[in-house]
Amino acid sequence: SQQGEEDPQALSIQEGENATMNCSYKTSINNLQWYRQNSGRGLVHLILIRSNEREKHSGRLRVTLDTSKKSSSLLITASRAADTASYFCATARTGGSYIPTFGRGTSLIVHP
Amino acid sequence: DVKVTQSSRYLVKRTGEKVFLECVQDMDHENMFWYRQDPGLGLRLIYFSYDVKMKEKGDIPEGYSVSREKKERFSLILESASTNQTSMYLCASSPGIEETQYFGPGTRLLVL
Repeated sequence: SQQGEEDPQALSIQEGENATMNCSYKTSINNLQWYRQNSGRGLVHLILIRSNEREKHSGRLRVTLDTSKKSSSLLITASRAADTASYFCATARTGGSYIPTFGRGTSLIVHP
Repeated sequence: DVKVTQSSRYLVKRTGEKVFLECVQDMDHENMFWYRQDPGLGLRLIYFSYDVKMKEKGDIPEGYSVSREKKERFSLILESASTNQTSMYLCASSPGIEETQYFGPGTRLLVL
């Protein structure tokens, strides 16, 4: 069952622009992770943010977490054509199954 | 670097055949996972294993079985392949059940 849902489903921007994608989830979580998937490949982990953290940075990536709104956002600054990929959030729920559950993803296209 | 390898990138099988998908990780991770990925549906968990010889059903275990005889190897078995099992299959491993997952490159299976 889908716990996290990414929004928008698709995003098309020009190189140099910022890209923002969001993830909403339904139940309380222990952590939330963002992954990237290049076409036809496996997923690559980007950032893990824990429920007691509000913001994390990694290079050009900035992730925020708002547990009161049950949402997270991934910001990619100064995007590059190489950032073209699908981006997924995965949430590890509190209680019950702890296994991270993936959303359907946001497809990002960065035009050179 | 963690490395997760899958036995085939592409596989074509006939309906009714028994299909084995193999996954090997080299980081001594306790947990291993099998997902299938279909357009518009994201990643769906088939089975996971948290220890040798231990397995748990995921969201869509029907038509699949798994085997974990050694810590580094997790096999997905399609007992009698059907056309609706045509999909991208992704294997992952993680050190902790809620922690970062490391993915293999995926196996694209076509069942005719």
